[in-house]
Amino acid sequence: DTGVSQNPRHKITKRGQNVTFRCDPISEHNRLYWYRQTLGQGPEFLTYFQNEAQLEKSRLLSDRFSAERPKGSFSTLEIQRTEQGDSAMYLCASSRPGQVAFFGQGTRLTVV
Amino acid sequence: GQNIDQPTEMTATEGAIVQINCTYQTSGFNGLFWYQQHAGEAPTFLSYNVLDGLEEKGRFSSFLSRSKGYSYLLLKELQMKDSASYLCGVHRGGGADGLTFGKGTHLIIQP
Repeated sequence: DTGVSQNPRHKITKRGQNVTFRCDPISEHNRLYWYRQTLGQGPEFLTYFQNEAQLEKSRLLSDRFSAERPKGSFSTLEIQRTEQGDSAMYLCASSRPGQVAFFGQGTRLTVV
Repeated sequence: GQNIDQPTEMTATEGAIVQINCTYQTSGFNGLFWYQQHAGEAPTFLSYNVLDGLEEKGRFSSFLSRSKGYSYLLLKELQMKDSASYLCGVHRGGGADGLTFGKGTHLIIQP
């Protein structure tokens, strides 16, 4: 399968714990995006990378959130000191510049 | 701020035609995307409009009017598998390269 891959698919964590998600984009895509989606809403843009450079961050991305793409391939999204409001589906997408973005299946986070 | 409006829910009959409207007010516009999302699954790409007019692709067509800040997605010969959410997303460009999405329209197809 050569699509966008996200791990884990589901994560349940206790409030206050840190979590990290991984995204492996389509191999020839140099752009990688992170979105958050809650039930009944469209995806909300969080941040994106071109190669290893983080070029844009949404105001939604509080200082508890950090994303990296150290070698310009896979990316990680870490949430520190999770809160119940962080419960959502976290979607990753990748694209070539100016081309269609393809989404992964997402990581569903539940904070209890 | 950025504003993208779509109806929350629509119902249509198998075999019929349905039009899902999207209006947008954004700082910058490079193009408009439509994605389909089945419950619990990833959004999948349907169409992309950059210039005014109608883009047709099989049973699905998408229309854009940039002067009116308006787009629609037209689905013909509806099938039960078309029951899904349809997301309108604007690519603002100018350094804002992530897509800004509306809340999505939940389409229910009835026999």
